[in-house]
Amino acid sequence: QKEVEQNSGPLSVPEGAIASLNCTYSDRGSQSFFWYRQYSGKSPELIMSIYSNGDKEDGRFTAQLNKASQYVSLLIRDSQPSDSATYLCAVRTNFGNEKLTFGTGTRLTIIP
Amino acid sequence: DTEVTQTPKHLVMGMTNKKSLKCEQHMGHRAMYWYKQKAKKPPELMFVYSYEKLSINESVPSRFSPECPNSSLLNLHLHALQPEDSALYLCASSQARIDYEQYFGPGTRLTVT
Repeated sequence: QKEVEQNSGPLSVPEGAIASLNCTYSDRGSQSFFWYRQYSGKSPELIMSIYSNGDKEDGRFTAQLNKASQYVSLLIRDSQPSDSATYLCAVRTNFGNEKLTFGTGTRLTIIP
Repeated sequence: DTEVTQTPKHLVMGMTNKKSLKCEQHMGHRAMYWYKQKAKKPPELMFVYSYEKLSINESVPSRFSPECPNSSLLNLHLHALQPEDSALYLCASSQARIDYEQYFGPGTRLTVT
């Protein structure tokens, strides 16, 4: 079983709709969770971090964490063509360890 | 400011060359990272420096040699690389042992011929 799993997509969403990206992880001791956006040929850009169960909102982005079910999700409201990118879920699996484990990423395409 | 800079942006080198990649951050972060990323794959951790000491080496071949001269700088020395080492090399930094939000630099696109 992979440590961090994401649906590779591609996920196509109409402009203005809500895009929902999901990530599951295997280590129950995981402490910190991150979403990165990566445009083709560019480096990953941190867009959200979440550490506690529940929702965390930042502009059009909402991260949701459920440690009991071991999943973390990212919602993008009012999707724009500029949101078209690969979204990487990253999990810090061991307390005190600097290592992040990345999922394989979900490619999101916003259709105008 | 969450800026990490990397030089050069692009590098082409032969298998017998020696070259270095450089990374710099001025955010006061005490952890710095080297990742390698191949096309359509997630970043793959290579090395971690924490408080200028090497804390993680992910069994990287010795043709890659990291160096952390001070808390703001990170180098990756390259020697006798193989064509399969061609990739995007990413540097990242974070607060050490606090929140672990890692911020990536723009990367160096390396081609080994």
